[in-house]
Amino acid sequence: SQQGEEDPQALSIQEGENATMNCSYKTSINNLQWYRQNSGRGLVHLILIRSNEREKHSGRLRVTLDTSKKSSSLLITASRAADTASYFCATDDNAGNMLTFGGGTRLMVKP
Amino acid sequence: DGGITQSPKYLFRKEGQNVTLSCEQNLNHDAMYWYRQDPGQGLRLIYYSQIVNDFQKGDIAEGYSVSREKKESFPLTVTSAQKNPTAFYLCASSPRDRSSYEQYFGPGTRLTVT
Repeated sequence: SQQGEEDPQALSIQEGENATMNCSYKTSINNLQWYRQNSGRGLVHLILIRSNEREKHSGRLRVTLDTSKKSSSLLITASRAADTASYFCATDDNAGNMLTFGGGTRLMVKP
Repeated sequence: DGGITQSPKYLFRKEGQNVTLSCEQNLNHDAMYWYRQDPGQGLRLIYYSQIVNDFQKGDIAEGYSVSREKKESFPLTVTSAQKNPTAFYLCASSPRDRSSYEQYFGPGTRLTVT
């Protein structure tokens, strides 16, 4: 079952613009993670936010978490062509044994 | 040079044949995972292992089998019972047996069955 669902499914922006992706989930979580996948490659971990955190920053990335709405957002500021990739949110099960990934947002940044 | 290796990158098989995908890690991680990814979709968990000689079914284990005889290795066998085996397969590992820690992914194996 897919716990997280990303929105939008696809996003196309110009270099220098900000990109915002959203993730909604269904059940309570311990933490939420965001991953990036370049075409045909493995996933790379970007950032983890715990359920007791509301906002976290890492370089040009900003993640927010609203546990009351069961949603998270990933903001990439000042986007670059190299940011073109698919972005996935992942939530853990309550036992903390495994992650469940959403369907992803495909981001294209045009130079 | 630490990391996770998957081989081969591309694999072609005839329908009805079993095929084994390799996953090796030298990160000294306890937990290892196998995911399946279909075009334009997210990842679905096939099997995971938190410790040597133990593994658990994920959401889509039917038609697959695994073994965990060594900490470094977690091979996945796609059996002939898997009805739609063509997909991109990703292996991952994490340093502890809880998903609150990030997972490290291999480069993937693209399996095509005709």
